[in-house]
Amino acid sequence: ETGVTQSPTHLIKTRGQQVTLRCSSQSGHNTVSWYQQALGQGPQFIFQYYREEENGRGNFPPRFSGLQFPNYSSELNVNALELDDSALYLCASSYTSGSGTDTQYFGPGTRLTVL
Amino acid sequence: ILNVEQSPQSLHVQEGDSTNFTCSFPSSNFYALHWYRWETAKSPEALFVMTLNGDEKKKGRISATLNTKEGYSYLYIKGSQPEDSATYLCAFPNTGNQFYFGTGTSLTVIP
Repeated sequence: ETGVTQSPTHLIKTRGQQVTLRCSSQSGHNTVSWYQQALGQGPQFIFQYYREEENGRGNFPPRFSGLQFPNYSSELNVNALELDDSALYLCASSYTSGSGTDTQYFGPGTRLTVL
Repeated sequence: ILNVEQSPQSLHVQEGDSTNFTCSFPSSNFYALHWYRWETAKSPEALFVMTLNGDEKKKGRISATLNTKEGYSYLYIKGSQPEDSATYLCAFPNTGNQFYFGTGTSLTVIP
């Protein structure tokens, strides 16, 4: 059990709406990364937060934004939802960032469906 | 965008068979190579973090090797069991914090 939790498990939204996904990191982990996994693909890096600041971003538009809080929780916000945003969203926490050698501990994901 | 490739895409083996699959990654600017196991309806679980060329790691019946010069890693499962059925993902961190994942190898072990 990794100790990383995500909510909700499943979510259905309509195109144009906004959504907030939540992640509770493992205690003591000051880094959280968010990934999008579309059907048939591997997880794609969205962005990473380290000590409440964005610390790297993948190829995702600005309508994908995030927050990290001092209590090891974080949020992924997506505005103006599009059909292609339908995917599994994973968060992963780690103790530090930047070395590439730290193990990332994943949550079970939130399945977002955009109709 | 870096290209991390895994093969085969899926694999069906009989219980007791040994199997292996491949992860290919860019051989330049190497930080580490991560392997994960992802069972259906569960969280991806870290298996190995490999950092040195020639590294070989083992966890029970699962082992992995690393060749950073040619840009590949092999994952081996000896005597496959039904509980080994999962998707196996490799991830290549670039600039230290941005992980690029392969599409995974889906393993089904038939009892």
